[in-house]
This record gives sequence, structure tokens and C-alpha cells, in this order.
Amino acid sequence: AQSVTQLDSHVSVSEGTPVLLRCNYSSSYSPSLFWYVQHPNKGLQLLLKYTSAATLVKGINGFEAEFKKSETSFHLTKPSAHMSDAAEYFCVVSDNNDMRFGAGTRLTVKP
Amino acid sequence: EAGVAQSPRYKIIEKRQSVAFWCNPISGHATLYWYQQILGQGPKLLIQFQNNGVVDDSQLPKDRFSAERLKGVDSTLKIQPAKLEDSAVYLCASSLGRLNIQYFGAGTRLSVL
Repeated sequence: AQSVTQLDSHVSVSEGTPVLLRCNYSSSYSPSLFWYVQHPNKGLQLLLKYTSAATLVKGINGFEAEFKKSETSFHLTKPSAHMSDAAEYFCVVSDNNDMRFGAGTRLTVKP
Repeated sequence: EAGVAQSPRYKIIEKRQSVAFWCNPISGHATLYWYQQILGQGPKLLIQFQNNGVVDDSQLPKDRFSAERLKGVDSTLKIQPAKLEDSAVYLCASSLGRLNIQYFGAGTRLSVL
């Protein structure tokens, strides 16, 4: 059975500085991996997905993630944080459509 | 394109009462999901429908939770009777098919007192 671990429950950055949200996964097969963002009182929105094509995946709003099979990681990055990036971020592993969510990382952006 | 619609947005009930949530997926989406998101945790799948049939309900507490999607379009999730630990956000999602991207509604926040 697959699982996903988000290594930080809370990350705080200053506006304009890089963002790194860490995610490690466990899967018996070749999984699909996703990052979703959840703003307060809003639904989950897909940021990006990896499905065994290019290992560096570009998403919306300047986010990208790199799939590293040897490290079983799928960390989310953004070169420069914006105030509007403050939200909860979920890493998701999907194996044969069985989606498992991480516990989430809350990103705070300071002015 | 309209997104996934859920109602109500908020619900407060006392333990042992019943409650129902409604979801209308994106038009044309065959697969519908219900998730439970407890505060501080990621969403957990409760049940998955493919059209009007259940694909996976392994994590649904069937002694108190039920869900239906009779016409293969909208769906209801019911809890009867509710317990304190059912306090959570209930999310509905839909996708074109089982292997496609899931689109989420805003959720229903349930508080059981």
C-alpha cells in the first residue's frame, strides 16, 4: 500500500524568497504524484501532477516539483513566494486511482 | 465550466442526530468521490462511485454512513447517527474517469456537538 509523508507541518517564508515544501512517498508500483493547494474555505486545487513523463513538472502559479525515484521524493518549489501563496499544501500519491493524501503543510508568507 | 457544487457549506448538529450532504459533480464526470478531512489531517477517501455503482467503500463506516448516486449524477452522503468524531469537512470530488484528475468542491464543514 502506498503512503505519503510531508516532512514539515508548517513552513514560514518571507515574500520574495524561495519556497520548499518536502514530500516523500512510498509505493509498490510506479505511482502518479500530485500537489494540491487548499486556500481557506475553498476547495482543493490541483497545482501539478507527475505521471511518469518528465521528472521536472511545472505547475500553475510558478510552482514546480521534481520526481526523484532514488530518493522517493517529490518536493514542491517556487523561486519567489507571493503573499497569495499562503495556504495549505497537500502531496498526494496515487496508485491505480487509490489516492492517499499527506497530512498537509501550512505555508505562511511574511511581508 | 461550473465546478463541483456542494451544500450546505456549514452544518452544526448534536450527537446522535442525522445529517445529509449533497454534491453535484462537473457535468459529464463519471467518477464521484466523497472524502472526510479531519482538522489537521489530509483528506481520506470514504467512497468512490463510477456512474451509479460503488467502486470502493472500504473506508466508509457503514454502520452509520451511507451514500448514494442513484442516477449517476448528483450524490448524497448521510450520517445517522452522528458522533462527536464525525466533526470534519466533507469534500466531494469528480473526475472524467477513474484515472483522470479529480476536481474538488469547497466542502461541507460539519460540527457535531
